[in-house]
Amino acid sequence: EVHLVQSGAEVKKPGESLKISCKGSADIFTNFWVGWVRQMPGKGLEWIGIIYPRDSDTRYSPSFQGRVAISADNSINTAYMQWSSLTASDTAVYYCARHRRAATNPSDAFHIWGQGTLVTVSP
Amino acid sequence: DIVMTQSPDSLAVSLGERATINCKSSQTVLSISDNENYLAWYQQRPGQPPKLLFYWASTRESGVPDRFSGSGSGTDFTLTISSLQAEDVAVYYCHQYYSIPFTFGPGTKVDI
Repeated sequence: EVHLVQSGAEVKKPGESLKISCKGSADIFTNFWVGWVRQMPGKGLEWIGIIYPRDSDTRYSPSFQGRVAISADNSINTAYMQWSSLTASDTAVYYCARHRRAATNPSDAFHIWGQGTLVTVSP
Repeated sequence: DIVMTQSPDSLAVSLGERATINCKSSQTVLSISDNENYLAWYQQRPGQPPKLLFYWASTRESGVPDRFSGSGSGTDFTLTISSLQAEDVAVYYCHQYYSIPFTFGPGTKVDI
């Protein structure tokens, strides 16, 4: 069975950096787009961006471009999202998710989801 | 960006009754090249990650009960639960994957 396992909850101070991870249980990354979704406390889902680990082609929402960086390490089936300087507004649960089809076309629904990583940014 | 709207924001339905959720996109998500609607529906139960219910607007994901159905085309879509069960209490989101940035609707909360 395919799983995505995300790194654990983080508590950070404003201005600190952070890198969270999302690891696949098998060779499920190479030919699939993997993305990140934000859910702020009590709010809905926001699409952050996606990466194609085979060639690191990355697409971002303009709302998040420049604020986060998405990367991947194909050799260990792991995707990452990082911040260089956190703010309180980054407090949220972040989900990684894999697209449904193995394809170079980025247009697809999210099929497999990680359990979520809670990031809390507080002074 | 394509803006997704949903109605209602929330609804309460008796067990065994029908629930209908509407989703509207600000631009068409119907692709002329493959005649597919790039629209998905997700269910998010409290404390859990979202779960894919439908893709291509009406293709049911494996394992999703057939009391769930998805319909619509172009800019107007509907998710219907024909006979609400207790385990269907959740927030439901539509999602367009036609144009980057892909976007989600604001969600519709379904309660008993």
